[in-house]
Amino acid sequence: QSALTQPASVSGSPGQSITISCTGTSGDFVPHNYVCWFQQHPGRAPKLILFDVNNRPSGISNRFSGSKSGNTASLTISGLQAEDEADYYCSSYTTRFTYVFGTGTRVTVL
Amino acid sequence: QVQLVQSGAELKKPGASVKVSCKASGYTFTDYSLQWVRQAPGLSLEWLGWINPDGGGTQYSQNLRGRITITMDTSARTAYMELSRLRSEDTAVYYCAREATRGLDLDHWGQGTLVTVSS
Repeated sequence: QSALTQPASVSGSPGQSITISCTGTSGDFVPHNYVCWFQQHPGRAPKLILFDVNNRPSGISNRFSGSKSGNTASLTISGLQAEDEADYYCSSYTTRFTYVFGTGTRVTVL
Repeated sequence: QVQLVQSGAELKKPGASVKVSCKASGYTFTDYSLQWVRQAPGLSLEWLGWINPDGGGTQYSQNLRGRITITMDTSARTAYMELSRLRSEDTAVYYCAREATRGLDLDHWGQGTLVTVSS
């Protein structure tokens, strides 16, 4: 199973919105909604910020939202803040209870 | 509170095996699957496999099948990930994480265990 494809980097100014894509091969995201997004700050363990495409765990800001269309899932961060500067990874269920992560995106707040 | 505490860093030679432990506390151990993920230096996350403590069912990444074994000791509330025939490319931080429901919604993570493979 190959990793899902994400842009290597995305940047934005404080207050702006940015979107990170996560692209798989045909069928990677169909017919399930088991797409998650994780945030990772340097030297720290990843942190779950979205599950089931667009659901936020308790305590996660509503500035984070997700969507899925065809073979692409997306994470949107609105009202970008300095603390959002981190690496972001998508993940998806594949087949037979196995999973795959994305290649990761470095978000820079200008 | 939920905690996952992993064993300490390991230095192994190529061809050797390593066994990383993950001790859970703060919740009913058999109610949640435990997943294993690794991250090589400067690289992305890689899914390795999971174990369901309620029955012991497992599943592994095709990329590691044959070299990885995930086990558990329910009485000790501990899961183990063993990787054999180590190569330099296996150098990474290995994480265990609790799956909240399904679909890799990993809501609590261990602190990570650095495994270095070097001659």
